[in-house]
Amino acid sequence: QKEVEQDPGPLSVPEGAIVSLNCTYSNSAFQYFMWYRQYSRKGPELLMYTYSSGNKEDGRFTAQVDKSSKYISLFIRDSQPSDSATYLCAMSTTSGGSYIPTFGRGTSLIVHP
Amino acid sequence: DAGVIQSPRHEVTEMGQEVTLRCKPISGHDYLFWYRQTMMRGLELLIYFNNNVPIDDSGMPEDRFSAKMPNASFSTLKIQPSEPRDSAVYFCASSIDRGGGYTFGSGTRLTVV
Repeated sequence: QKEVEQDPGPLSVPEGAIVSLNCTYSNSAFQYFMWYRQYSRKGPELLMYTYSSGNKEDGRFTAQVDKSSKYISLFIRDSQPSDSATYLCAMSTTSGGSYIPTFGRGTSLIVHP
Repeated sequence: DAGVIQSPRHEVTEMGQEVTLRCKPISGHDYLFWYRQTMMRGLELLIYFNNNVPIDDSGMPEDRFSAKMPNASFSTLKIQPSEPRDSAVYFCASSIDRGGGYTFGSGTRLTVV
């Protein structure tokens, strides 16, 4: 079992839809949770960064962490064609002194007009 | 700031040739990371530096790979000799800390034929 699992998609939705992207993980020591967005032929860019459980909102984006279920989500409201990209989750822990995040393989999202 | 700058953007080389990838991190970022991304394996950490010193190179696949950071504003990743299975997109990223809020470059797409 991979440490971080993410459905590769693609996930295709119409413009204006609410999108839910998810990751599951196996390491209960993970404390920091991130979402990166990667456009085609570009590097990943940090979208959201959260610590421990709970929700964090930034504009149309909401990151949600459920540590009891080892499950994180990224919600995109009123999705736009410009949101079409690959979304990678990442998570890290200070346990063991590593800190280096483990990345999921990414979910490809297509928002069609 | 211009962000993390990588060169070249594309590299096509013949098997057995030496390949050198270059990276200029963001000024003031103490950490520099080299990643490799493929469809099969996703984003893999190869090596990272802190204050120009290599900290963890356990992700470097073979002795054919080497990385240097002679100063705070420049790093290289060298593959010698290159093989077709090295074909991938190589990303450089930099950060203030190692916890995950990384800034990635646009990557170097390497094709070894």
